[in-house]
Amino acid sequence: GENVEQHPSTLSVQEGDSAVIKCTYSDSASNYFPWYKQELGKRPQLIIDIRSNVGEKKDQRIAVTLNKTAKHFSLHITETQPEDSAVYFCAASNTGTASKLTFGTGTRLQVTL
Amino acid sequence: GAGVSQSPSNKVTEKGKDVELRCDPISGHTALYWYRQRLGQGLEFLIYFQGNSAPDKSGLPSDRFSAERTGESVSTLTIQRTQQEDSAVYLCASTSRDTKETQYFGPGTRLLVL
Repeated sequence: GENVEQHPSTLSVQEGDSAVIKCTYSDSASNYFPWYKQELGKRPQLIIDIRSNVGEKKDQRIAVTLNKTAKHFSLHITETQPEDSAVYFCAASNTGTASKLTFGTGTRLQVTL
Repeated sequence: GAGVSQSPSNKVTEKGKDVELRCDPISGHTALYWYRQRLGQGLEFLIYFQGNSAPDKSGLPSDRFSAERTGESVSTLTIQRTQQEDSAVYLCASTSRDTKETQYFGPGTRLLVL
């Protein structure tokens, strides 16, 4: 089955700096890659996703890149703000067979003033 | 409309007791998922329901875990003879036919087995 690895496990940046979180996946048939943000004690919420037919997607300060050949994808947050502090999870799935998501282990992002 | 809801929000039980967790998906959502999240860890897939198809139970950790769903409505996750290692947050998510990949999560049930 699919295996998703995520790095780093913790990340501390100063407000205004950029943050990058990287994930790799094992199943070349995976074609959908969402990112979820989970604030302390809250439910995970989708912040951005990318499908395998594109290499990059951007939404304001958030962007995701996908390299299918290398089987890795990354989340980029620019101009970080304190409210970006949370745990971020990447995930992968093959929507052709099932929408079951395999999640990475999470990155705890701390944005300091 | 209303989001995914789960009950109870918190459950404390004694080792060996059975517990039942409930998930109400978003109305009209065809697929429903259960995940387990241990403290400080990622989301571990447990089971997946899609319409009237046979559920994907590949993530259930042992035969003490089972889940049911009637049609496209409520689901219950049952853990029999609970163990301390079952302590975790159990999250439910649902997806719609239109945006089938996007999973909307419930607030979770925090289970503590003493």
